[in-house]
Amino acid sequence: GAGVSQSPSNKVTEKGKDVELRCDPISGHTALYWYRQSLGQGLEFLIYFQGNSAPDKSGLPSDRFSAERTGGSVSTLTIQRTQQEDSAVYLCASSLASRASGYNEQFFGPGTRLTVL
Amino acid sequence: KNEVEQSPQNLTAQEGEFITINCSYSVGISALHWLQQHPGGGIVSLFMLSSGKKKHGRLIATINIQEKHSSLHITASHPRDSAVYICAVSRFGGSQGNLIFGKGTKLSVKP
Repeated sequence: GAGVSQSPSNKVTEKGKDVELRCDPISGHTALYWYRQSLGQGLEFLIYFQGNSAPDKSGLPSDRFSAERTGGSVSTLTIQRTQQEDSAVYLCASSLASRASGYNEQFFGPGTRLTVL
Repeated sequence: KNEVEQSPQNLTAQEGEFITINCSYSVGISALHWLQQHPGGGIVSLFMLSSGKKKHGRLIATINIQEKHSSLHITASHPRDSAVYICAVSRFGGSQGNLIFGKGTKLSVKP
């Protein structure tokens, strides 16, 4: 079946512009995650959605970053007034509902490469 | 000091060799993940474990909770195993998605 998809695959924008990145999780996956991978920085957590629970936003680096998940499926990560340091690959992942006693394997999308000029 | 440390950073092996990548962490965890990132950038989850040992094909992952250490082993390595291997942990008491990542181990297997 279809995996996690993200769009666009590449985005080049000018400093100060807003961008929206989209993630389509695997059908039936109620958990959705956003991460970013900056050059030389490794992967870092941004935000996590689980069903109808309040999202864990503790990884968002500033108030310029926000994310929403409509209808428990598609998610959009918005970066306002982009800065050059926002340049990175933004990765989305999804997983089945969290088990009470454990955690579930995450399936990653191909990522969106964002370049802020 | 990073909360998740991997070693080595880079590893070159000859085809057929047995490979070990290590991961140490300094926080209480609920789960530990091993991820594989190919040169094209795609990330695949290899293992998720909270105790003991798991095996999938030529890959074996072990974890020692008391020592806060995990190892990823690759038996009979092959050039197609060349990738970056990333260790990540879910902090105990934290949300499932809030992973703390190691910086990765870049593996190159020569034919």
